[in-house]
Amino acid sequence: QSALTQPASVSGSPGQSITISCTGTSSDIGAFDYVSWYQQHPGKAPELMIYGVSNRPSGVSFRFSGSKSANTASLTISGLQAEDEADYYCISYTTSFTYIFGTGTKVTVL
Amino acid sequence: QVHLVQSGAAVRRPGASLRISCKASGYTFTTYPIHWVRQAPGQRLEWMGWIIAASGKTQYSQRFRGSVTFSRDTSAGTAYMDLSSLTSEDTAVYYCARETLRGGGEFDLWGQGTLVTVSS
Repeated sequence: QSALTQPASVSGSPGQSITISCTGTSSDIGAFDYVSWYQQHPGKAPELMIYGVSNRPSGVSFRFSGSKSANTASLTISGLQAEDEADYYCISYTTSFTYIFGTGTKVTVL
Repeated sequence: QVHLVQSGAAVRRPGASLRISCKASGYTFTTYPIHWVRQAPGQRLEWMGWIIAASGKTQYSQRFRGSVTFSRDTSAGTAYMDLSSLTSEDTAVYYCARETLRGGGEFDLWGQGTLVTVSS
């Protein structure tokens, strides 16, 4: 498997909630609670938004939340704001002692 | 303040080699692993591998095994990635990132990225 599967794009209006899925296998997402999510604005380095499936680093808005069920992890952004428009990537640890990123999702705020 | 500062942009001919550096400041370099991530133009993030700064032990993504080599200089607080036999497909921004002690892909500090252009 070369990458976890994410939707190419998700959009929503300001104030709405959106959810981005990240689908893997029993050898990565399904095997560990080691899923993180990153936000990347154009031309910038990625920024950690969620770690350990559902934990928010200090300084990250409470509007970002994460969850996991079986082989699929999800990132939910509630109260969508213009500044949330960016690319989002999931990453998971694998049973091969490596990491794998998702295909990436472009979030558009309408 | 804590930082990872990477070497500047580079242009290379196909077949050439390149070393990218990632200098840590504001924290004890040997405490945390350093990971390397590639992003080709307009493309997704790709995990390349990691080095345990304390021991120098490395782990590579199968995709990049044999074409990249990680190393570090603990006295200089710097991690390095050597790229060899470059092709146009290696044109990308390369990031180094610090992983927390919790692990699990929790990269809490990133370098600014190094743009590598491979062109004849």
